[in-house]
Amino acid sequence: QKEVEQNSGPLSVPEGAIASLNCTYSDRVSQSFFWYRQYSGKSPELIMSIYSNGDKEDGRFTAQLNKASQYVSLLIRDSQPSDSATYLCAVISYQAGTALIFGKGTTLSVSS
Amino acid sequence: DGGITQSPKYLFRKEGQNVTLSCEQNLNHDAMYWYRQDPGQGLRLIYYSQIVNDFQKGDIAEGYSVSREKKESFPLTVTSAQKNPTAFYLCASSGQGRTSGAYEQYFGPGTRLTVT
Repeated sequence: QKEVEQNSGPLSVPEGAIASLNCTYSDRVSQSFFWYRQYSGKSPELIMSIYSNGDKEDGRFTAQLNKASQYVSLLIRDSQPSDSATYLCAVISYQAGTALIFGKGTTLSVSS
Repeated sequence: DGGITQSPKYLFRKEGQNVTLSCEQNLNHDAMYWYRQDPGQGLRLIYYSQIVNDFQKGDIAEGYSVSREKKESFPLTVTSAQKNPTAFYLCASSGQGRTSGAYEQYFGPGTRLTVT
């Protein structure tokens, strides 16, 4: 059974700090990785995708991928209270078409 | 503006009744999905469809049924056979990203189903 693992948190950081969220996955053939943000009571919103080893930056967000270690992370710089949410890591299943396998999510709390 | 719509937002049903959740997309995506989310759990795949008139069971298909007669629509029926139907139901579609051109999957706003 392919798995995606995340620390459930909560991860608490002060406003302006860097938040680091981590994710490991079990399937070595996984090629595509995604980070979603989910506010309480809302649906997930795609914030980052990454396909190659290394870093990918988009505004205050940086996704990092290390396929050898089967590890993907999300850094949020200059964290804001509005970043407080649950962050879901996901990989493409390939056993179910292009459906995604999700981790249970890490809850981030940014205090002002 | 392209997107995915789900209706209704909230749905209340009595135990033993079938209920159908609507999902429509105008992103021109071939693939569509239904996930279920329970408190403290990640999203679990119920059914998926890679193309019109074809769909496959996901990890937790028992007690659910779907149809895919049109590219834009992928309704989900929660039958009375589903043991614990109360959950947050999310529909998604996937294809080339709106800005990046790479593969991306987007979600609708969800339907919160409560069965008593």
